[in-house]
Amino acid sequence: GAGVSQTPSNKVTEKGKYVELRCDPISGHTALYWYRQSLGQGPEFLIYFQGTGAADDSGLPNDRFFAVRPEGSVSTLKIQRTERGDSAVYLCASSAGLYNEQFFGPGTRLTVL
Amino acid sequence: QKEVEQNSGPLSVPEGAIASLNCTYSDRGSQSFFWYRQYSGKSPELIMFIYSNGDKEDGRFTAQLNKASQYVSLLIRDSQPSDSATYLCAVWSPGANNLFFGTGTRLTVIP
Repeated sequence: GAGVSQTPSNKVTEKGKYVELRCDPISGHTALYWYRQSLGQGPEFLIYFQGTGAADDSGLPNDRFFAVRPEGSVSTLKIQRTERGDSAVYLCASSAGLYNEQFFGPGTRLTVL
Repeated sequence: QKEVEQNSGPLSVPEGAIASLNCTYSDRGSQSFFWYRQYSGKSPELIMFIYSNGDKEDGRFTAQLNKASQYVSLLIRDSQPSDSATYLCAVWSPGANNLFFGTGTRLTVIP
């Protein structure tokens, strides 16, 4: 079956611009996670959705970051007024539930110039 | 702060040898443990998970968990050049909504 998909695969933007990153989880997976990975580091948690609601957004670094999952499937991570420090690979993962294994998408590499 | 520690490596082993990757974690209440493989420029791929003390084998991979010592390891038998990648240890604890990852160990299998 299809895995987690993410678009775009690469995004280059200028400092101060707004970006949206999309994640389409594995069909039937109710739990969806966003992580961010910098070079040489492990993924760092950003936000977790169970169904449509953001059950835990404690990992979002500041209020420039926001994510939605309006119909309980596709999620969009939104970053306002991008900064160079936002450059990283943004990973989406999904699982059948909170206690289940998480499967990652291919990631979106964001570069802020 | 929940911490997951891994030796960053690089770890080099000859083809056909056993590669041993280690991970320690700080939260004694952690319950689920995962090993992900990440090729350069790719996303993490789940290869093993373990919940109970002891060994769990899957093909050439064996995960070992010792909760008393807060230690989890991954053994790769008959290592192949295609096993060359970064291996990430991840831990889940009750009350957490996410996995905590180590920084990964880079493994190189030399033909």
